[in-house]
Amino acid sequence: AQRVTQPEKLLSVFKGAPVELKCNYSYSGSPELFWYVQYSRQRLQLLLRHISRESIKGFTADLNKGETSFHLKKPFAQEEDSAMYYCALRTSYGKLTFGQGTILTVHP
Amino acid sequence: DTAVSQTPKYLVTQMGNDKSIKCEQNLGHDTMYWYKQDSKKFLKIMFSYNNKELIINETVPNRFSPKSPDKAHLNLHINSLELGDSAVYFCASSQDPGSNQPQHFGDGTRLSIL
Repeated sequence: AQRVTQPEKLLSVFKGAPVELKCNYSYSGSPELFWYVQYSRQRLQLLLRHISRESIKGFTADLNKGETSFHLKKPFAQEEDSAMYYCALRTSYGKLTFGQGTILTVHP
Repeated sequence: DTAVSQTPKYLVTQMGNDKSIKCEQNLGHDTMYWYKQDSKKFLKIMFSYNNKELIINETVPNRFSPKSPDKAHLNLHINSLELGDSAVYFCASSQDPGSNQPQHFGDGTRLSIL
């Protein structure tokens, strides 16, 4: 069965510091991975997907099949990055399996 | 011109009542989903419909009954509400289940059971 693990429930950094949100997955098929972000009391928004290999708001994520990871990184965190971040794995019928989420707090 | 809209945004009701949440998308997508976000912020899929047909039905009590009158709408009816049903329910849509395009989410409906 598919599984997504985000080991850190809470992550705090200071503004300007690098940040890495960890995500590991377990899936027998070919994985499609996403990062979604939820700002305070707002809807989930797509941040990144691995097939795009793009950088959004300074964030990047690389799929590492050997380590079954899809960690989210940003070299210099900003206060407006404070939010809940979900890693998600897309499987059959478009179903998204989400990790537990990581609350990122960026202090001034 | 909200892409995925849910109503109501907030719903406060008593245990034992029956309530419905509505969802509409104007993106022309074929597939719609319902997710539940519990008090610990854990997000889990409940149902998915593709072109009005049920394609995903996770282990959800049968008090929950989704209905899709057309592919642009997916409503969620909940009978005999229980305290554990308190959560934020998110509707989402995607082009089709096989597409690698991302899902678009609504604002969520915050359901509180008294």
